[in-house]
Amino acid sequence: QKEVEQNSGPLSVPEGAIASLNCTYSDRGSQSFFWYRQYSGKSPELIMSIYSNGDKEDGRFTAQLNKASQYVSLLIRDSQPSDSATYLCAVNFRGNAGKSTFGDGTTLTVKP
Amino acid sequence: DGGITQSPKYLFRKEGQNVTLSCEQNLNHDAMYWYRQDPGQGLRLIYYSQIVNDFQKGDIAEGYSVSREKKESFPLTVTSAQKNPTAFYLCASTPWGRGTGGSTEAFFGQGTRLTVV
Repeated sequence: QKEVEQNSGPLSVPEGAIASLNCTYSDRGSQSFFWYRQYSGKSPELIMSIYSNGDKEDGRFTAQLNKASQYVSLLIRDSQPSDSATYLCAVNFRGNAGKSTFGDGTTLTVKP
Repeated sequence: DGGITQSPKYLFRKEGQNVTLSCEQNLNHDAMYWYRQDPGQGLRLIYYSQIVNDFQKGDIAEGYSVSREKKESFPLTVTSAQKNPTAFYLCASTPWGRGTGGSTEAFFGQGTRLTVV
């Protein structure tokens, strides 16, 4: 079993719809959770970080964390074609403040 | 501008040859990391360094070597022992790497694409 698992893709949504990306992790003591966006051939860029249970909103993006269920999600509202990319979930396990474990990513395509 | 610079952007390696990928940061970050990414997959940790003159193996260190002689620099050597080195290599840094507090996201360089010819 992988330490960080993401829902298998690819995911395709129409423009203007809500895209939902999911991630589960194995270490109950994990402290920090990140969502990165990676365009094809480029390096990952941080779009959201979340550290405590609940929702965190930033513009069209909402991260949701449920530590009891070991689950973190990313919602993208009003999806745009420019949101088409691979989204990587990353988790920092306890005792490793800087070292992230990444999921395999979910590729999102937003169709005009 | 502060950031992480990787070079070269593209690198071609012949069979049996060692090659070195450069990573330099001017963010004054303590910790630096090397990840490998294969098509359709996430990032896998090769080596990381939390402090100068110290580094640790990651999940896939075999066939790779690193050094951390300066805080700003963390070069990765892909040796001939790495039998399948074709991949996208990403260098990253974080302000700190030890302990459980102050966790932070990683800052990435633009990557080096290595191809065996």
